[in-house]
Amino acid sequence: SQQGEEDPQALSIQEGENATMNCSYKTSINNLQWYRQNSGRGLVHLILIRSNEREKHSGRLRVTLDTSKKSSSLLITASRAADTASYFCATGGSSASKIIFGSGTRLSIRP
Amino acid sequence: EAQVTQNPRYLITVTGKKLTVTCSQNMNHEYMSWYRQDPGLGLRQIYYSMNVEVTDKGDVPEGYKVSRKEKRNFPLILESPSPNQTSLYFCASSPGQERGYTFGSGTRLTVV
Repeated sequence: SQQGEEDPQALSIQEGENATMNCSYKTSINNLQWYRQNSGRGLVHLILIRSNEREKHSGRLRVTLDTSKKSSSLLITASRAADTASYFCATGGSSASKIIFGSGTRLSIRP
Repeated sequence: EAQVTQNPRYLITVTGKKLTVTCSQNMNHEYMSWYRQDPGLGLRQIYYSMNVEVTDKGDVPEGYKVSRKEKRNFPLILESPSPNQTSLYFCASSPGQERGYTFGSGTRLTVV
């Protein structure tokens, strides 16, 4: 079962611009995580935001969480060619063993 | 280097021939999990384990088995593979609650 739905499914921007991806989910969560996947490779954990947090930063990444709307956004500022990848949100419940991934956003950075 | 190691990276096999995909982590993580990734379906959890000898089904467990006899290893067993199990498989581990998962590099399995 998919909990998160990312929007848009694909995004193409110019290098240097900011990229924003959104994630909506259906049930209550303990935390929401964002991962990056380069083509066909393993996912890399980017950032985790807890349900009692509203915003979190890590380098060029900014994540927001609105539990009333059951949505999150990932902002990548000053994009680079190396940011080209698929980005997934994943929701965590009361157990660390059960995280559910969304369908992903494919981000392409044009030089 | 802290990592999750899966083997093999690529595997082509025939229907019905039992196979095992190994997964090992060197981070002393309690939680381990197997996912399959298919186009249009995203990542779906097959099985997970919360500790040694503690495993449970994920969303798509049919046709798979796992075991967790040691903390570091979590093999995925396909007793009788079928073509619908052709997929990209990922093993992942986590230290616990509210911590992210570390993923392996993936195993691309083709069943003909």
